Amino acid sequence: EVQLLESGGTLVQPGGSLRLSCAASGFTFSSYTMSWVRQTPGRGLEWVSGISDRGDRTYYADSVKGRFTISRDNSKNTLFLQMKSLRAEDTALYYCAKDEAIRFTFGSWGQGTLVTVSS
Amino acid sequence: IQMTQSPSSLSASVGDRVTITCRASQGISAYLNWYQQKPGKVPKLLISATSSLQRGVPPRFIGSSSGTEFTLTISSLQPEDFATYYCQQSYSPPVTFGPGTKLEIK
Repeated sequence: EVQLLESGGTLVQPGGSLRLSCAASGFTFSSYTMSWVRQTPGRGLEWVSGISDRGDRTYYADSVKGRFTISRDNSKNTLFLQMKSLRAEDTALYYCAKDEAIRFTFGSWGQGTLVTVSS
Repeated sequence: IQMTQSPSSLSASVGDRVTITCRASQGISAYLNWYQQKPGKVPKLLISATSSLQRGVPPRFIGSSSGTEFTLTISSLQPEDFATYYCQQSYSPPVTFGPGTKLEIK
């Protein structure tokens, strides 16, 4: 059974930094593109970033480009999202999502970790 | 690529046939997915690649397309279908979702 467990979400001040992690199990992590997707009540679902199976290609939403960095450690089955220069509008529930057979088709989701950016 | 959905909300009754429309701002081939999300739950992939039903999803969910317009049809609404539905293009990054359609009980 696929399991994705996010962690690292917390309250952080505007301009601050945070690192999210997603521990994966139940599948061959190194064979799948992985993504971060966030959700707020007012803005629905927003894809944030994706990374190829080997970690050699990364992709970002325009809203986070230059501020967020996605990475992965295939030896530890873990996905990361380094977040810098955080803004109030980054406040959201952040999900880790696994691809299905087609890239960026999200067949499995974690339960999410809440990031709140506020002073 | 911008994704729009209509309607933004919809009231219907059990047994009704409902259709949700999603439009892409440019061609995305068949790279269109549909998700269902219930309150307090994570999104669930219903349909991938326009019309491919995911394992365990009832056949009353039907996906189709015409050009850059995609539709999700629920042929006969069941009580468990009342939820919010999102479309999403997986054609090219940045990946984009539609704003969602909230399906409510009439």
